Amino acid sequence: AQSVTQPDIHITVSEGASLELRCNYSYGATPYLFWYVQSPGQGLQLLLKYFSGDTLVQGIKGFEAEFKRSQSSFNLRKPSVHWSDAAEYFCAVGDTGNQFYFGTGTSLTVIP
Amino acid sequence: NAGVTQTPKFQVLKTGQSMTLQCAQDMNHEYMSWYRQDPGMGLRLIHYSVGAGITDQGEVPNGYNVSRSTTEDFPLRLLSAAPSQTSVYFCASSTGQGAYYGYTFGSGTRLTVV
Repeated sequence: AQSVTQPDIHITVSEGASLELRCNYSYGATPYLFWYVQSPGQGLQLLLKYFSGDTLVQGIKGFEAEFKRSQSSFNLRKPSVHWSDAAEYFCAVGDTGNQFYFGTGTSLTVIP
Repeated sequence: NAGVTQTPKFQVLKTGQSMTLQCAQDMNHEYMSWYRQDPGMGLRLIHYSVGAGITDQGEVPNGYNVSRSTTEDFPLRLLSAAPSQTSVYFCASSTGQGAYYGYTFGSGTRLTVV
């Protein structure tokens, strides 16, 4: 069965520091992978997605993610975090049956 | 372009009451889904629809009912509210290949059952 694991429940970083959020998935075929961000009291916004081709994908707000098939990972990165990046981040995998499976999320706190 | 619109944004129900959470999209998306979000559990799929007249159960369907009479609307009905249904509910829609393009989410309905 498909599943997504986000090992870090909560991460705190200083503004200007680099960020990496971890995501591991379990899926039999080539997955469709997504990262969403949720600001407090808001819905989910798509940051980036991967479905084929270049394993390093660029998204909005300066985020990028790298697909590593050998590690079943799709980690999200940002070189320099801004205070406005404080939010909850969800990794998700989509299958060919149009179903989505979400991780439990990582809450990001940014220290000024 | 409004995207996915959910109403109401907040609701308090008493145990045993029924209500309908509304979801409408104006993007002509075929696929629509309802998720609930609970702390530490991420988003869990309640029901989904691949087109008008077609619905199916997701991971946690018990206590909820859906119908899809039009492409635009996908209401979620709570038949007899229970405290365990206290949650934030999100409606999402996508094109014919949602798992390929990703979903567009509404802003959510925060439901409290007392």
